[in-house]
Amino acid sequence: EVQILETGGGLVKPGGSLRLSCATSGFNFNDYFMNWVRQAPGKGLEWVAQIRNKNYNYATYYAESLEGRVTISRDDSKSSVYLQVSSLRAEDTAIYYCTTGSFDYWGQGVMVTVSS
Amino acid sequence: DIQMTQSPSSMSVSLGDTVTITCRASQDVGIYVNWFQQKPGKSPRRMIYRATNLADGVPSRFSGSRSGSDYSLTISSLESEDVADYHCLQYDEYPRTFGGGTKLELK
Repeated sequence: EVQILETGGGLVKPGGSLRLSCATSGFNFNDYFMNWVRQAPGKGLEWVAQIRNKNYNYATYYAESLEGRVTISRDDSKSSVYLQVSSLRAEDTAIYYCTTGSFDYWGQGVMVTVSS
Repeated sequence: DIQMTQSPSSMSVSLGDTVTITCRASQDVGIYVNWFQQKPGKSPRRMIYRATNLADGVPSRFSGSRSGSDYSLTISSLESEDVADYHCLQYDEYPRTFGGGTKLELK
Protein backbone atom coordinates (compact mmCIF):
# COMPACT_ATOMS: atom_id res chain seq x y z
CA GLU A 1 0.00 0.00 0.00
CA VAL A 2 1.30 3.42 -0.96
CA GLN A 3 1.71 5.79 1.96
CA ILE A 4 2.72 9.44 1.80
CA LEU A 5 2.99 11.46 4.99
CA GLU A 6 3.81 15.14 5.17
CA THR A 7 5.09 16.75 8.34
CA GLY A 8 6.63 20.00 9.44
CA GLY A 9 3.76 22.41 9.04
CA GLY A 10 2.56 24.89 11.60
CA LEU A 11 2.30 28.56 12.46
CA VAL A 12 5.15 30.71 11.23
CA LYS A 13 5.71 34.45 11.45
CA PRO A 14 6.03 36.48 8.26
CA GLY A 15 9.60 36.41 7.06
CA GLY A 16 10.23 33.06 8.70
CA SER A 17 11.24 29.75 7.18
CA LEU A 18 9.92 26.24 7.24
CA ARG A 19 11.06 22.83 6.10
CA LEU A 20 8.36 20.38 5.11
CA SER A 21 9.09 16.67 4.97
CA CYS A 22 7.35 13.93 3.04
CA ALA A 23 7.98 10.33 3.97
CA THR A 24 6.84 7.66 1.55
CA SER A 25 6.51 3.90 1.37
CA GLY A 26 4.85 1.25 -0.73
CA PHE A 27 6.40 2.14 -4.09
CA ASN A 28 9.86 2.31 -5.59
CA PHE A 29 10.60 5.88 -4.56
CA ASN A 30 13.91 5.99 -6.42
CA ASP A 31 12.11 5.63 -9.76
CA TYR A 32 9.65 8.44 -9.17
CA PHE A 33 9.69 12.16 -9.73
CA MET A 34 8.06 13.96 -6.79
CA ASN A 35 6.01 17.15 -6.53
CA TRP A 36 4.76 19.60 -3.96
CA VAL A 37 1.35 21.16 -4.58
CA ARG A 38 -0.38 23.67 -2.33
CA GLN A 39 -3.92 24.89 -1.77
CA ALA A 40 -4.74 28.15 -0.03
CA PRO A 41 -7.93 28.13 2.07
CA GLY A 42 -10.96 28.03 -0.18
CA LYS A 43 -8.82 28.24 -3.33
CA GLY A 44 -7.69 25.96 -6.12
CA LEU A 45 -4.59 23.83 -6.44
CA GLU A 46 -1.20 25.38 -7.20
CA TRP A 47 1.83 23.38 -8.28
CA VAL A 48 4.90 24.41 -6.30
CA ALA A 49 7.89 22.29 -7.29
CA GLN A 50 9.13 19.02 -8.76
CA ILE A 51 12.30 17.02 -8.33
CA ARG A 52 13.22 14.33 -10.81
CA ASN A 53 14.97 11.09 -9.97
CA LYS A 54 18.64 10.10 -10.13
CA ASN A 55 18.38 9.13 -13.80
CA TYR A 56 17.57 12.77 -14.51
CA ASN A 57 20.27 14.10 -12.19
CA TYR A 58 17.69 15.17 -9.59
CA ALA A 59 16.69 18.12 -11.78
CA THR A 60 14.39 20.58 -10.03
CA TYR A 61 11.61 22.84 -11.29
CA TYR A 62 9.72 25.56 -9.49
CA ALA A 63 6.65 27.73 -9.80
CA GLU A 64 7.76 31.18 -10.84
CA SER A 65 5.75 32.78 -8.04
CA LEU A 66 7.90 30.98 -5.49
CA GLU A 67 11.25 30.72 -7.25
CA GLY A 68 14.08 31.94 -5.10
CA ARG A 69 12.17 31.21 -1.89
CA VAL A 70 11.71 27.46 -2.18
CA THR A 71 14.06 24.52 -2.50
CA ILE A 72 12.94 20.97 -3.14
CA SER A 73 15.25 18.10 -2.28
CA ARG A 74 15.09 14.36 -1.75
CA ASP A 75 16.85 11.60 0.12
CA ASP A 76 16.42 8.33 -1.75
CA SER A 77 17.88 6.37 1.17
CA LYS A 78 14.92 7.56 3.26
CA SER A 79 12.30 7.56 0.46
CA SER A 80 11.65 11.14 1.43
CA VAL A 81 11.28 14.50 -0.24
CA TYR A 82 11.57 17.92 1.35
CA LEU A 83 10.47 21.49 0.71
CA GLN A 84 12.31 24.40 2.25
CA VAL A 85 10.36 27.65 2.10
CA SER A 86 11.85 30.95 3.22
CA SER A 87 10.74 34.58 3.49
CA LEU A 88 7.24 33.33 4.21
CA ARG A 89 4.32 35.63 3.50
CA ALA A 90 0.67 35.55 4.47
CA GLU A 91 -0.18 34.37 0.96
CA ASP A 92 1.90 31.24 1.51
CA THR A 93 -0.75 30.09 3.99
CA ALA A 94 -2.00 26.82 2.52
CA ILE A 95 -2.20 23.09 2.78
CA TYR A 96 0.94 21.67 1.21
CA TYR A 97 0.59 18.29 -0.47
CA CYS A 98 3.33 15.89 -1.47
CA THR A 99 2.51 13.90 -4.59
CA THR A 100 4.20 11.58 -7.02
CA GLY A 101 5.45 12.76 -10.38
CA SER A 102 2.33 11.84 -12.32
CA PHE A 103 0.11 13.02 -9.46
CA ASP A 104 -1.25 9.52 -8.96
CA TYR A 105 -0.53 9.31 -5.24
CA TRP A 106 -1.06 12.14 -2.73
CA GLY A 107 -0.40 12.64 0.93
CA GLN A 108 -3.01 14.00 3.29
CA GLY A 109 -1.35 17.41 3.30
CA VAL A 110 0.17 19.60 5.97
CA MET A 111 -1.10 23.03 6.96
CA VAL A 112 1.22 26.02 6.93
CA THR A 113 -0.10 29.24 8.44
CA VAL A 114 1.87 32.44 8.10
CA SER A 115 0.71 35.01 10.60
CA SER A 116 2.09 37.35 13.22
CA ASP B 1 3.06 29.75 -18.62
CA ILE B 2 0.29 27.57 -20.00
CA GLN B 3 -3.13 28.67 -18.78
CA MET B 4 -5.80 26.06 -18.15
CA THR B 5 -9.13 27.83 -18.32
CA GLN B 6 -11.67 25.65 -16.55
CA SER B 7 -15.42 26.04 -16.88
CA PRO B 8 -17.81 26.28 -15.29
CA SER B 9 -16.48 27.38 -11.92
CA SER B 10 -19.56 25.93 -10.28
CA MET B 11 -22.50 23.85 -11.37
CA SER B 12 -25.81 22.99 -9.77
CA VAL B 13 -26.57 19.34 -10.52
CA SER B 14 -29.14 16.64 -9.89
CA LEU B 15 -28.58 12.97 -9.27
CA GLY B 16 -28.66 11.08 -12.56
CA ASP B 17 -27.46 14.06 -14.58
CA THR B 18 -24.70 13.86 -17.17
CA VAL B 19 -22.13 16.49 -16.22
CA THR B 20 -19.36 17.85 -18.41
CA ILE B 21 -16.50 20.04 -17.18
CA THR B 22 -14.05 21.56 -19.64
CA CYS B 23 -10.51 22.93 -19.54
CA ARG B 24 -9.06 24.89 -22.42
CA ALA B 25 -5.29 24.98 -22.71
CA SER B 26 -3.65 28.19 -23.90
CA GLN B 27 -0.98 26.16 -25.74
CA ASP B 28 -0.69 22.65 -27.04
CA VAL B 29 -0.30 20.23 -24.15
CA GLY B 30 -0.90 17.06 -26.13
CA ILE B 31 -2.35 14.27 -24.03
CA TYR B 32 -0.77 15.45 -20.79
CA VAL B 33 -3.86 16.42 -18.87
CA ASN B 34 -5.08 14.90 -15.62
CA TRP B 35 -8.41 15.33 -13.88
CA PHE B 36 -8.77 15.23 -10.11
CA GLN B 37 -11.69 14.92 -7.74
CA GLN B 38 -11.45 16.57 -4.34
CA LYS B 39 -13.94 16.23 -1.51
CA PRO B 40 -14.03 18.65 1.46
CA GLY B 41 -11.11 18.14 3.78
CA LYS B 42 -9.57 15.47 1.56
CA SER B 43 -6.61 15.23 -0.77
CA PRO B 44 -7.18 15.31 -4.51
CA ARG B 45 -7.75 11.96 -6.20
CA ARG B 46 -6.60 11.37 -9.74
CA MET B 47 -9.57 10.31 -11.87
CA ILE B 48 -8.29 10.63 -15.44
CA TYR B 49 -4.70 10.63 -16.73
CA ARG B 50 -3.30 11.40 -20.16
CA ALA B 51 -6.57 13.07 -21.06
CA THR B 52 -8.64 9.94 -21.62
CA ASN B 53 -7.42 7.15 -19.35
CA LEU B 54 -9.44 6.07 -16.33
CA ALA B 55 -7.33 5.81 -13.20
CA ASP B 56 -7.41 2.63 -11.13
CA GLY B 57 -10.60 2.12 -9.16
CA VAL B 58 -12.47 5.00 -10.80
CA PRO B 59 -16.05 4.15 -11.80
CA SER B 60 -16.71 3.79 -15.51
CA ARG B 61 -19.29 6.62 -15.42
CA PHE B 62 -16.27 8.96 -15.48
CA SER B 63 -14.62 9.63 -18.82
CA GLY B 64 -12.14 12.05 -20.31
CA SER B 65 -11.97 13.39 -23.83
CA ARG B 66 -10.01 15.84 -25.94
CA SER B 67 -10.96 18.04 -28.86
CA GLY B 68 -8.03 20.14 -29.95
CA SER B 69 -7.05 22.29 -26.97
CA ASP B 70 -10.26 21.52 -25.10
CA TYR B 71 -10.22 18.76 -22.52
CA SER B 72 -13.40 17.49 -20.90
CA LEU B 73 -14.35 15.38 -17.94
CA THR B 74 -17.78 13.79 -18.22
CA ILE B 75 -19.70 12.12 -15.42
CA SER B 76 -22.63 10.04 -16.64
CA SER B 77 -25.53 9.31 -14.31
CA LEU B 78 -24.20 11.45 -11.47
CA GLU B 79 -24.28 9.80 -8.09
CA SER B 80 -24.24 11.52 -4.70
CA GLU B 81 -20.64 10.49 -4.07
CA ASP B 82 -19.59 12.43 -7.18
CA VAL B 83 -20.56 15.79 -5.68
CA ALA B 84 -17.15 17.35 -5.15
CA ASP B 85 -14.64 19.79 -6.59
CA TYR B 86 -12.89 18.88 -9.82
CA HIS B 87 -9.56 20.17 -11.11
CA CYS B 88 -7.68 19.77 -14.35
CA LEU B 89 -3.90 19.87 -14.66
CA GLN B 90 -1.50 20.09 -17.57
CA TYR B 91 1.82 18.36 -17.11
CA ASP B 92 3.26 18.79 -20.55
CA GLU B 93 5.39 21.79 -19.66
CA TYR B 94 6.84 23.52 -16.63
CA PRO B 95 5.44 25.11 -14.66
CA ARG B 96 2.68 22.56 -14.26
CA THR B 97 -0.61 24.44 -14.13
CA PHE B 98 -4.04 23.64 -12.75
CA GLY B 99 -7.39 24.91 -13.87
CA GLY B 100 -9.34 27.07 -11.46
CA GLY B 101 -11.58 24.23 -10.33
CA THR B 102 -15.25 23.35 -10.66
CA LYS B 103 -17.55 22.95 -7.67
CA LEU B 104 -20.51 20.61 -8.13
CA GLU B 105 -23.45 21.30 -5.87
CA LEU B 106 -26.75 19.47 -5.60
CA LYS B 107 -29.88 21.38 -6.55
